[in-house]
Amino acid sequence: NAGVTQTPKFQVLKTGQSMTLQCAQDMNHEYMSWYRQDPGMGLRLIHYSVGAGITDQGEVPNGYNVSRSTTEDFPLRLLSAAPSQTSVYFCASSSSLRQGPYNEQFFGPGTRLTVL
Amino acid sequence: DAKTTQPNSMESNEEEPVHLPCNHSTISGTDYIHWYRQLPSQGPEYVIHGLTSNVNNRMASLAIAEDRKSSTLILHRATLRDAAVYYCILRDAQPQKTSYDKVIFGPGTSLSVIP
Repeated sequence: NAGVTQTPKFQVLKTGQSMTLQCAQDMNHEYMSWYRQDPGMGLRLIHYSVGAGITDQGEVPNGYNVSRSTTEDFPLRLLSAAPSQTSVYFCASSSSLRQGPYNEQFFGPGTRLTVL
Repeated sequence: DAKTTQPNSMESNEEEPVHLPCNHSTISGTDYIHWYRQLPSQGPEYVIHGLTSNVNNRMASLAIAEDRKSSTLILHRATLRDAAVYYCILRDAQPQKTSYDKVIFGPGTSLSVIP
C-alpha cells in the first residue's frame, strides 16, 4: 500500500492564481481531511469528508474548496491564491470503523505552498 | 471540546528516558488520549493511545493518571531519530456515525535530543 499520497510536493503561485492540491489514499478509508500548518503552530483543519459525496468545513475553510467524488481522492482547490495561504498542507485519512476507539489518522508527506 | 496543554519544548540526552507531559483537565469519560509525533519535514504519525490503563507498544509507553486529567508519554531510550514535535490529542470514542471526530492539534512539544 502506498498509504496517503500528495502531489505536488512543492508549489509556488502568484497572488490570484488558482490550483488544486491532490490527495489520494489506497486504504479504502471513508474519512479524509485537509490540514494546514504554519511555522511554529499545530495543524489546523481546513475541510473534511466522511465519505464520497459528503464534505464539511473545518476551522479555516475560507479560500478553499473540496469535493469527494470517489473514496480514494480528496482534492483541495485554492480559488484565488493569497500570500496568507503560504503554508504546508497535509492530507489525512482514517477508517470509519468504530470497533473500539482506535482510529489512527494516516498523513501524507505534505505539500509546501508559497504564494508570492 | 476538551483541550490539552503541553510544554512548548523539552530537551533530552541521547539514550536517556524522556517523559513528555500532557494536561487535559476537562477530559470527558468517552475521550481517549492519543499521541502523535511529527518528524522534521514529514506528516504526523500515530504513536500510542489509551483510555485509563497504562499502555505499551514498540514506540513508547503511555502513563495515564488515575483521575485521567493528565498523561505522560515515555520514550524509554531517546535516540536522535526521536527529535520531533509530539502532540497530545483527545479523541471521542463514541462520535456519531455520520459525524467526524475532528482531530485538534495544538502546538505540541518540540523534543530536542542531545548526542
